[in-house]
Amino acid sequence: AQSVTQLGSHVSVSEGALVLLRCNYSSSVPPYLFWYVQYPNQGLQLLLKYTTGATLVKGINGFEAEFKKSETSFHLTKPSAHMSDAAEYFCAVSANTGNQFYFGTGTSLTVIP
Amino acid sequence: DVKVTQSSRYLVKRTGEKVFLECVQDMDHENMFWYRQDPGLGLRLIYFSYDVKMKEKGDIPEGYSVSREKKERFSLILESASTNQTSMYLCASRRGLAGPHNEQFFGPGTRLTVL
Repeated sequence: AQSVTQLGSHVSVSEGALVLLRCNYSSSVPPYLFWYVQYPNQGLQLLLKYTTGATLVKGINGFEAEFKKSETSFHLTKPSAHMSDAAEYFCAVSANTGNQFYFGTGTSLTVIP
Repeated sequence: DVKVTQSSRYLVKRTGEKVFLECVQDMDHENMFWYRQDPGLGLRLIYFSYDVKMKEKGDIPEGYSVSREKKERFSLILESASTNQTSMYLCASRRGLAGPHNEQFFGPGTRLTVL
């Protein structure tokens, strides 16, 4: 079975500081991995995804994530936080077979001016 | 761009009412999903459909049913609404035939309050 763990339900950073949101997955085979962002009262929007190939994936709004198989991790980073980055972030894994996604419980990012 | 629309952004219903939440996607996606989102619990899958008239239960199907008569439309039905079904409901769609690496596209959500 697949599962996703996001460490830290709330993360606060200062504007201009590094953003690091953690995601670990549990899977018997290498999965497909996704990060989504949700702004207040909106649906989820895809930030980036890892399928195959290069383990460092670049997404929208300056975010990137690195797939580390040995650590079963897919942490999301951004070098310099902006006020507009304040949102809820979800990590998700897709099984190699079947149609389901498995979402983490989310991390709420606060950016302090 | 893929567009997923949901019939209402906000909905207030009374206990015992039958509630219909509608979702429409415009990209001919095979897969459609209904989730509910609650603070601290993330997204939980209620039902999904991998084709017209086909459906499978997700993790929390109790108290819900679904209908997919046309490829672009996926409806979530609360047969008899209860206060514990007050939540944010999110619909998503996804191209299914090309494989599991495809992302899901989400609608804006319906915030349902049951009084």
